[in-house]
Amino acid sequence: DTAVSQTPKYLVTQMGNDKSIKCEQNLGHDTMYWYKQDSKKFLKIMFSYNNKELIINETVPNRFSPKSPDKAHLNLHINSLELGDSAVYFCASSQEPGVGEQYFGPGTRLTVT
Amino acid sequence: QQQVKQSPQSLIVQKGGISIINCAYENTAFDYFPWYQQFPGKGPALLIAIRPDVSEKKEGRFTISFNKSAKQFSLHIMDSQPGDSATYFCAARKSSNYQLIWGAGTKLIIKP
Repeated sequence: DTAVSQTPKYLVTQMGNDKSIKCEQNLGHDTMYWYKQDSKKFLKIMFSYNNKELIINETVPNRFSPKSPDKAHLNLHINSLELGDSAVYFCASSQEPGVGEQYFGPGTRLTVT
Repeated sequence: QQQVKQSPQSLIVQKGGISIINCAYENTAFDYFPWYQQFPGKGPALLIAIRPDVSEKKEGRFTISFNKSAKQFSLHIMDSQPGDSATYFCAARKSSNYQLIWGAGTKLIIKP
């Protein structure tokens, strides 16, 4: 059973398009995260939700909008995609904010051409 | 503003050798220091973690050494194996909002 799953695994799109990445966790965790990993492998937190409420919102362009329909899902919608958005996006979850380990999904490689 | 500095950026170690990765943090209240391991094409996974009231933690071939006064912590991998080849990230958790601050990562290659 996959603990944290993301779809799609690969996403190739053109500049200016709008796209979404979906994330689901079956661990019963209360907290979910979105990270961006750039080409140099640097991991940057983008958002964190706890019980469907936003608790961390780093300096991210407002073209990025997270949506949490329920505790098990945290989707990421990106408007007007730019070349600099190309990266691997990871979803993660933890039992509570900062409690225990964060479990990461397999990542979504986004390429904007 | 990088609050957790990790070094080296890359490391090559012979099989059977000791791999050492270092991290230093700046003057911020952190209360938990995990190390994550990431294989190519996968998400990071927790390897080992330590709290600041402990100076050392060992799990199998992996040991964290923690120096609170120097604000430094390091990961030691004993008897390094080719299967340990991965990118390793240190992190520090802010006690104020539980946010993890990540190091830049170290790409470790173990040569057979």
